[in-house]
Amino acid sequence: KAGVTQTPRYLIKTRGQQVTLSCSPISGHRSVSWYQQTPGQGLQFLFEYFSETQRNKGNFPGRFSGRQFSNSRSEMNVSTLELGDSALYLCASSSTGLRSYEQYFGPGTRLTVT
Amino acid sequence: AQRVTQPEKLLSVFKGAPVELKCNYSYSGSPELFWYVQYSRQRLQLLLRHISRESIKGFTADLNKGETSFHLKKPFAQEEDSAMYYCALSPQGQNFVFGPGTRLSVLP
Repeated sequence: KAGVTQTPRYLIKTRGQQVTLSCSPISGHRSVSWYQQTPGQGLQFLFEYFSETQRNKGNFPGRFSGRQFSNSRSEMNVSTLELGDSALYLCASSSTGLRSYEQYFGPGTRLTVT
Repeated sequence: AQRVTQPEKLLSVFKGAPVELKCNYSYSGSPELFWYVQYSRQRLQLLLRHISRESIKGFTADLNKGETSFHLKKPFAQEEDSAMYYCALSPQGQNFVFGPGTRLSVLP
């Protein structure tokens, strides 16, 4: 099976802009979770989507949003970018959601905000 | 609030020596705990989870509810074990909480 893919791999944006990141899960997986990884805060959970519905949400401002399509692909959007949003954004897929406990991670999208 | 701590940012051991990566958590309910590993230039991947009580690549981890710990152990470290290790807590299948990670360096 092909692994989790994320596009783009690298992105440079300026403050105030918005950005959309994409994640394609492993075929057959219906859950996609998003994480932000920074040197200072480590890995932080953003949200989880399962069958097109947001099922869990971390403690991030409303500028961070996401959605999931019927083919389980997911997008994450960050509006009004701030310098502190510079991070590696990881997505992970699993077959039945967080309760399946085994998440498969993508390579990440490295976002740099200048 | 749920929290995972890993007190060591970096742990260096010699090949063949025992290794223990510490993990402590705070959670009032029954936790689900995991160890994830990230080898150089590879993706983050699950190493083991406490519910399966398995040994993966010689690593084991025991959940100690009294001490709220889930330390990762291996009796004889190998150079290929060098990686970043993350302890993670999933409170009843919600909102994975990751620790800050420990970089294990196994010296020849």
